[in-house]
Amino acid sequence: RKEVEQDPGPFNVPEGATVAFNCTYSNSASQSFFWYRQDCRKEPKLLMSVYSSGNEDGRFTAQLNRASQYISLLIRDSKLSDSATYLCVRGNTGFQKLVFGTGTRLLVSP
Amino acid sequence: DGGITQSPKYLFRKEGQNVTLSCEQNLNHDAMYWYRQDPGQGLRLIYYSQIVNDFQKGDIAEGYSVSREKKESFPLTVTSAQKNPTAFYLCASSIGQSSTDTQYFGPGTRLTVL
Repeated sequence: RKEVEQDPGPFNVPEGATVAFNCTYSNSASQSFFWYRQDCRKEPKLLMSVYSSGNEDGRFTAQLNRASQYISLLIRDSKLSDSATYLCVRGNTGFQKLVFGTGTRLLVSP
Repeated sequence: DGGITQSPKYLFRKEGQNVTLSCEQNLNHDAMYWYRQDPGQGLRLIYYSQIVNDFQKGDIAEGYSVSREKKESFPLTVTSAQKNPTAFYLCASSIGQSSTDTQYFGPGTRLTVL
């Protein structure tokens, strides 16, 4: 099993739709989780950290399920500008060595 | 503007040549990292540095070397020993080493071996 596994997509959705991505991880000792966004041929940028209690930032909601070892990202009211690749990232306790998933591509169409 | 800069944006290298990629940050971050990204793969850690004059090998350090003589700078040398160097190279930094410290990325350097 890969350390961090994501469906590569692409997810094709119309503007205004709600879309959700899941990401599974294999190391139960993982302590920190993040979602990064990466536009084509650009650097990754932090979208949000994922807390045990779940967190919400505007149209974006992240959830963590430790029992099943997955995290999720929900995007409501999709915008054209949300089109990007979303990287699931986990970190370990102590030194922040991050493990990146290969990303899920989202395409939002008019 | 505070941030991380990488240069050059594009780099072409002939086989057998060493090349050095620049990474500078003015965020006063202690920790810096180098990753490479290949199509269809996640970012992979090459080297990291937690503090000036100290650095550690990541998962794929073979064929690469780094230095950390200044807090702001963490250059990466891709040597001729690296078998498949064509990739997108990303430098990152974080304020500290905690797993909750956000890593911020530079704009990257695309290296192509001719």
